[in-house]
Amino acid sequence: AQKITQTQPGMFVQEKEAVTLDCTYDTSDPSYGLFWYKQPSSGEMIFLIYQGSYDQQNATEGRYSLNFQKARKSANLVISASQLGDSAMYFCAMRVNSGYSTLTFGKGTMLLVSP
Amino acid sequence: EPEVTQTPSHQVTQMGQEVILRCVPISNHLYFYWYRQILGQKVEFLVSFYNNEISEKSEIFDDQFSVERPDGSNFTLKIRSTKLEDSAMYFCASKNRGDSNQPQHFGDGTRLSIL
Repeated sequence: AQKITQTQPGMFVQEKEAVTLDCTYDTSDPSYGLFWYKQPSSGEMIFLIYQGSYDQQNATEGRYSLNFQKARKSANLVISASQLGDSAMYFCAMRVNSGYSTLTFGKGTMLLVSP
Repeated sequence: EPEVTQTPSHQVTQMGQEVILRCVPISNHLYFYWYRQILGQKVEFLVSFYNNEISEKSEIFDDQFSVERPDGSNFTLKIRSTKLEDSAMYFCASKNRGDSNQPQHFGDGTRLSIL
């Protein structure tokens, strides 16, 4: 069975600073993908970034980057130059390549960005 | 940019009543999903649907749940006899290919409140 662990229930960061949101995972499947989603207070789920288990480089997408450490089974999200609009819940999710790509989510981390 | 749309945004229903949650996935997508998120908890997988049939379902998806793709555009989740514990945000998601790196695109969710 797959498991995603997000140990930080809440994080605070000042505007323009960088912040790292932690995610560790557990799976016995050698082929998997890791996703980060953002959920603002309005409730929608917004895809941010993807990392495949065989990707040689860490994923980047604008201000978002993923610090992928396969041996440690961690896939931390780094947000650079935080903005007030980044305040939201952030979910790490994993999909294993067997099956039909269902996602297993972590409990999420609430990020608050202050001026 | 195309998006997944869900209706209604909020549904209030008496316990024991049937409810149908509607979703219009992105038009060229082939894989469809329902997830739920009980207030304050993580997102949980319910069911995946491909090629006009259920491809995977979780233990949450018991006999009171059913899904349908009645026409070429809609994808519905029916809860036959609602219980108080069915109160949650329900998300529909879709993706276009089975490729492992394709993210699922989520709708804005339907908040279901059972009284």
